[in-house]
Amino acid sequence: SQTIHQWPATLVQPVGSPLSLECTVEGTSNPNLYWYRQAAGRGLQLLFYSVGIGQISSEVPQNLSASRPQDRQFILSSKKLLLSDSGFYLCAWRPRNRLDTEAFFGQGTRLTVV
Amino acid sequence: TQLLEQSPQFLSIQEGENLTVYCNSSSVFSSLQWYRQEPGEGPVLLVTVVTGGEVKKLKRLTFQFGDARKDSSLHITAAQPGDTGLYLCAGGPTGANNLFFGTGTRLTVIP
Repeated sequence: SQTIHQWPATLVQPVGSPLSLECTVEGTSNPNLYWYRQAAGRGLQLLFYSVGIGQISSEVPQNLSASRPQDRQFILSSKKLLLSDSGFYLCAWRPRNRLDTEAFFGQGTRLTVV
Repeated sequence: TQLLEQSPQFLSIQEGENLTVYCNSSSVFSSLQWYRQEPGEGPVLLVTVVTGGEVKKLKRLTFQFGDARKDSSLHITAAQPGDTGLYLCAGGPTGANNLFFGTGTRLTVIP
């Protein structure tokens, strides 16, 4: 069966510090991978998605970047965090070329920038 | 870019009441999905609607996809406290790999 791992679960970082959140998927190959950010009680904002190694599409220009160094690994980064980067970050995957299928989510990372 | 607008944003009702949540867009989607999310967790799929005008029922939940495939609704009959949660619609433009989520509806069912 397929699983998705996301870590860390919680993170408190000072303004101006770097960020690295990691997401890995097991049990599938060539997935589409997604990073979302969610404000408290609101919908998910799509940040980045990837259809393959090294292929990153950015939906929202901002202080963040994403990379996909391996087929089942997706990393969200920042060089210098801002207060506005606080939020709940979710990684998700979907089977490639099956665009009507369910998105499967990790458990999320609660990031607080202080 | 927020392509999917949900209404209402918040909904608080008594147990046993009926409710409808709406998901609207100016874009056409190949399909729309509805998810439910618990605090501190990722969303979990409830249903996918694919055909314009399609209606799907899951026990007390009825989902409808608009004829023009730009909107959808979720109707809950005889709401129960266990229905409490954040309901999200989601869809991707036809042929695209991105998946956008709606603005969310937070439902509270009071016993």
